[in-house]
Amino acid sequence: ELKVEQNPLFLSMQEGKNYTIYCNYSTTSDRLYWYRQDPGKSLESLFVLLSNGAVKQEGRLMASLDTKARLSTLHITAAVHDLSATYFCAVDMNTDKLIFGTGTRLQVFP
Amino acid sequence: GAVVSQHPSRVICKSGTSVKIECRSLDFQATTMFWYRQFPKKSLMLMATSNEGSKATYEQGVEKDKFLINHASLTLSTLTVTSAHPEDSSFYICSPISGNTEAFFGQGTRLTVV
Repeated sequence: ELKVEQNPLFLSMQEGKNYTIYCNYSTTSDRLYWYRQDPGKSLESLFVLLSNGAVKQEGRLMASLDTKARLSTLHITAAVHDLSATYFCAVDMNTDKLIFGTGTRLQVFP
Repeated sequence: GAVVSQHPSRVICKSGTSVKIECRSLDFQATTMFWYRQFPKKSLMLMATSNEGSKATYEQGVEKDKFLINHASLTLSTLTVTSAHPEDSSFYICSPISGNTEAFFGQGTRLTVV
């Protein structure tokens, strides 16, 4: 059974600081996604990572994928309050079926 | 990105009644539909997968007679929660797939059973 674990589960960070969220998964997959979820809302797609070594950046967020280590990271640079949300990674089971990580609840404070 | 419309966004119903949630893909044809549920402060859990014109495949532990899924067309799928109980209260999210590499998600339905 595929397991997808994120850490930390909860992250409180000061504005301007950097931090990395980790996503580990337990079986082979070449496709990994990162999503943002605001309270009471659905998912917003952030990144689609489709191959080993893929790196994508959008604003203050950068995601990478290492399929050999079964690890993806979401790096936050110079955090701002607007980044406060819950972040999920999701691994594709090679059937379009997604298994979601445990989620990381991020709070950015002044 | 693709346009997905999920309705209703919120619903409150009495125990024992049934609730239907609709998910429409407005600008693409969804050959596959995934339905997820999410408890407060938890992750999304896949409930079932349906393909247009076929019976849905349910994940382990999901009662197929309680959560009826209909995927009669390439643009519409419905999830009916039958004989709802308070423990069915949750956030339900649909995800239609068109064969592209990216998944799309509905806006979600907050179900509260009283």
